[in-house]
Amino acid sequence: AQSVSQHNHHVILSEAASLELGCNYSYGGTVNLFWYVQYPGQHLQLLLKYFSGDPLVKGIKGFEAEFIKSKFSFNLRKPSVQWSDTAEYFCAVLKAAGNKLTFGGGTRVLVKP
Amino acid sequence: GAVVSQHPSWVICKSGTSVKIECRSLDFQATTMFWYRQFPKQSLMLMATSNEGSKATYEQGVEKDKFLINHASLTLSTLTVTSAHPEDSSFYICSATQQGTGELFFGEGSRLTVL
Repeated sequence: AQSVSQHNHHVILSEAASLELGCNYSYGGTVNLFWYVQYPGQHLQLLLKYFSGDPLVKGIKGFEAEFIKSKFSFNLRKPSVQWSDTAEYFCAVLKAAGNKLTFGGGTRVLVKP
Repeated sequence: GAVVSQHPSWVICKSGTSVKIECRSLDFQATTMFWYRQFPKQSLMLMATSNEGSKATYEQGVEKDKFLINHASLTLSTLTVTSAHPEDSSFYICSATQQGTGELFFGEGSRLTVL
């Protein structure tokens, strides 16, 4: 079965620090990849997505992610975080031929002011 | 972006009662709606996929008689938790695929607490 792994469950860092969240998936075929963010008390919002083309994808709020096909990875990065980036981040994978998103376990990020 | 609304956002009920949660796409038509369940500190688990006018497709391990899904129109899907028990307490989230673009939007979730 397809699975999505997010290696870090909790990340605590200070403002202006750089952030990188890992995401690996197990499906071998063509996939579409997503990162969602859930701010405290709010619903899931799309940060960025990769369907094809340039494997380095830029999203909203200064986030970017890089798709490395050989490593089955889609890591999320932000060079300098802000306190407002405190949230839970979910990686998700969609088989290109399907319509079901499979989510990773999520990573809770706490940015200390 | 498009808006998906869930109602109620928070419900408390007694064990043995049934609870209905609505999911509406407010400004677009949704070809497909998905229902997820999120346990505390865990990820979203897909429960079922529903298409307007047809029976929902349930994921393995999800009881279709327990979690009734009705997709009455292109803007409304409902999830009814029948004969709820405390173990059904969870956060239920719906998402909808926008007709035309295929983009996916999420509702704000509904927290169910069964006493």
